[in-house]
Amino acid sequence: DARVTQTPRHKVTEMGQEVTMRCQPILGHNTVFWYRQTMMQGLELLAYFRNRAPLDDSGMPKDRFSAEMPDATLATLKIQPSEPRDSAVYFCASGLVLGSRYEQYFGPGTRLTVT
Amino acid sequence: QKEVEQNSGPLSVPEGAIASLNCTYSDRVSQSFFWYRQYSGKSPELIMSIYSNGDKEDGRFTAQLNKASQYVSLLIRDSQPSDSATYLCAVPGDTGRRALTFGSGTRLQVQP
Repeated sequence: DARVTQTPRHKVTEMGQEVTMRCQPILGHNTVFWYRQTMMQGLELLAYFRNRAPLDDSGMPKDRFSAEMPDATLATLKIQPSEPRDSAVYFCASGLVLGSRYEQYFGPGTRLTVT
Repeated sequence: QKEVEQNSGPLSVPEGAIASLNCTYSDRVSQSFFWYRQYSGKSPELIMSIYSNGDKEDGRFTAQLNKASQYVSLLIRDSQPSDSATYLCAVPGDTGRRALTFGSGTRLQVQP
């Protein structure tokens, strides 16, 4: 049963600390996304990779957020320094294009609380 | 920026009834549409995808797409309390850009 995995599932940290979230996409998928979900903003796209290359990170605060994909099995999202407004659930999703068809699957998320 | 609009609800239906969830989108060139279900505290789960005008049925779920009117709907027949969740409509970005734009979701409550 292929699925996207994310670690950690929960993270509580103090303002100013570095936070690293990790994602393992579904094997064979060539697109990886990072989304953030809050009650106020809903689901927002932060970054998007295709074949490990970053294609769009316009939704990410560049001064503190960074996203990388060091290999096909690992995507990371880093916040440094973290702020209380970063508290949210961060989802990784992976997808595969098959001709004109496309489906995207979400991981379980990392619930981040910055105090 | 594509816009996807949904009524936030809650939409309350009795058990066994048909639940109808609607979504409108701003971009006429969108070719594919997705419905995700999200239970409280869980991640969005893909339940339906539809690529052409008309209806697509999968068990108790039917997705309906009308590109001319720019709306897509999800019908849930014989609604069950376990269907109570938030339903998110999603539309991909520009051609080649596969990131999804999500609506704010409609919260469905199925009353036993």
